[in-house]
Amino acid sequence: NAGVMQNPRHLVRRRGQEARLRCSPMKGHSHVYWYRQLPEEGLKFMVYLQKENIIDESGMPKERFSAEFPKEGPSILRIQQVVRGDSAAYFCASSRTGADQPQHFGDGTRLSIL
Amino acid sequence: DQQVKQNSPSLSVQEGRISILNCDYTNSMFDYFLWYKKYPAEGPTFLISISSIKDKNEDGRFTVFLNKSAKHLSLHIVPSQPGDSAVYFCAASAREADGLTFGKGTHLIIQP
Repeated sequence: NAGVMQNPRHLVRRRGQEARLRCSPMKGHSHVYWYRQLPEEGLKFMVYLQKENIIDESGMPKERFSAEFPKEGPSILRIQQVVRGDSAAYFCASSRTGADQPQHFGDGTRLSIL
Repeated sequence: DQQVKQNSPSLSVQEGRISILNCDYTNSMFDYFLWYKKYPAEGPTFLISISSIKDKNEDGRFTVFLNKSAKHLSLHIVPSQPGDSAVYFCAASAREADGLTFGKGTHLIIQP
């Protein structure tokens, strides 16, 4: 999974704190996606971004969650006032523009809420 | 409502034989299908994809078959190798750039 870089790999937060997850896409990739995986479940789509634009946020919870992909720097998934139910693995993927360009995933950030 | 279903949570196959992983979907708008392999504590690794204009796509030991009328796809791995032991996820989208809808995965175990 070299290429899509996510950090941190593990993040521990107490209830009520903020969590910031970072994702640097593969070189040449302009599309970024965030997914969440709960234990024993498949990955659930959250949001799709291109540089400075949110294209589809239909999978994002309405409150406390936000995402950005600025002109410079990594994409950020931000979770405010975390709760125990936010504990999960969060994966970022990136892809190129064009036909048959699959998404390539990072190794994820494991978020644990105490 | 699960739009992509992998009904076998696990599958055990002998080394050298064929592994067949199955996936069903309910959303008739899905037009692009992918298979990913995942090891513990790592992200999914892309294996192979197929668009709805085709019914078969091959890449080395991996072949994906798509039956649109049955809303069914399968991944064949021949011959199976010990390194193939992993969780395999089927994923789909209506357009290639869309976010993906994943199944819950099938844990493939290759027996020596």
